[in-house]
Amino acid sequence: DSGVTQTPKHLITATGQRVTLRCSPRSGDLSVYWYQQSLDQGLQFLIQYYNGEERAKGNILERFSAQQFPDLHSELNLSSLELGDSALYFCASSVSEASYNEQFFGPGTRLTVL
Amino acid sequence: GEDVEQSLFLSVREGDSSVINCTYTDSSSTYLYWYKQEPGAGLQLLTYIFSNMDMKQDQRLTVLLNKKDKHLSLRIADTQTGDSAIYFCAEGSSGGYQKVTFGTGTKLQVIP
Repeated sequence: DSGVTQTPKHLITATGQRVTLRCSPRSGDLSVYWYQQSLDQGLQFLIQYYNGEERAKGNILERFSAQQFPDLHSELNLSSLELGDSALYFCASSVSEASYNEQFFGPGTRLTVL
Repeated sequence: GEDVEQSLFLSVREGDSSVINCTYTDSSSTYLYWYKQEPGAGLQLLTYIFSNMDMKQDQRLTVLLNKKDKHLSLRIADTQTGDSAIYFCAEGSSGGYQKVTFGTGTKLQVIP
């Protein structure tokens, strides 16, 4: 158990819908990262937050947004969902934003768009 | 941009050594990582190496880094069935915030 929790575990929805994925980092970790893992694209970095502020953006679509709240939990919002958005979405956390810190991954949310 | 490449699949017999290879493009990479993903789980850090090191050994794991060729490898000695997983190579650059680029992952299958 990494100490990072993600809810829900599974999510099934229809095209055009909007969903929110939630992540609680390990106690004491200030940095949160979101990743998308699909069969054809591998593990793609989406976005990073540190202590409530956006720090880095990866291959995140405009239809996706995220935020980190004062209690350090984070939410990833996916809207106007398409079939290709079906994937595993991982959240990870680390102590700080420095590059040598280990990232601790949550168990993931499996999103299926029908 | 940064790119990290790995072969997709490796099959070995139990007891043999496994070698998983990775190449990266970012010459400013400071840290290189190996993560393991077991079925149905998130990624877990196995080991990492600083870019100024050539080799790091940790029990059954040996990491070799050829910085000139931007090539990283992970050797698992005496591979066990419990080592069956997807192994991700990743590179991280220093510079104020942690941006880590992951490879596509290599699925290791250990045959009993």
